[in-house]
Amino acid sequence: GQNIDQPTEMTATEGAIVQINCTYQTSGFNGLFWYQQHAGEAPTFLSYNVLDGLEEKGRFSSFLSRSKGYSYLLLKELQMKDSASYLCAVRDLGRMNRDDKIIFGKGTRLHILP
Amino acid sequence: KAGVTQTPRYLIKTRGQQVTLSCSPISGHRSVSWYQQTPGQGLQFLFEYFSETQRNKGNFPGRFSGRQFSNSRSEMNVSTLELGDSALYLCASSLDRGLGETQYFGPGTRLLVL
Repeated sequence: GQNIDQPTEMTATEGAIVQINCTYQTSGFNGLFWYQQHAGEAPTFLSYNVLDGLEEKGRFSSFLSRSKGYSYLLLKELQMKDSASYLCAVRDLGRMNRDDKIIFGKGTRLHILP
Repeated sequence: KAGVTQTPRYLIKTRGQQVTLSCSPISGHRSVSWYQQTPGQGLQFLFEYFSETQRNKGNFPGRFSGRQFSNSRSEMNVSTLELGDSALYLCASSLDRGLGETQYFGPGTRLLVL
């Protein structure tokens, strides 16, 4: 089956660092995305990982371990505007590589305190 | 370049009615996916269209259907509406299908079924 788990809520302080974890189980893993969604708005793309390792993009970094079915999103130098939901999504080709779907986790709501 | 547009933005219907939602992808994008977002279930994949053909379908009943036109614009239809269909319906477009294709989301249509 397909399953994506991430914490429901997290709280961090402005200027600090926070790590949001995501674990997944899929039949035919084909890449992992992170999206940011502010309340009342559409999700926006943050990062994409398909190979093991760390991808850095400014204040945001994303890590993937395919063997462990694990990813994290690291946010540095937190700003108030980073208060949002962060969605982990996996591209799954299914058992026989016949499907091609993107499955989203339920999201982690991040609260930034001044 | 204009982003993904969805119409209408808000809709109120009653049980048993049917509804059609529209999505115009970013110019040049050929893949359109539809998602349902609710507080309890998060983002759930409905279906994906590419080159006017449905390529994948999520686990939703047959009341949910869609189509894509030759200009890549897409519509989704929900017949015999139920209270549980109240949700934010998001459309996302991508340039093509395959590894690492980023999806760009529209603002969504918020549907309320009374």
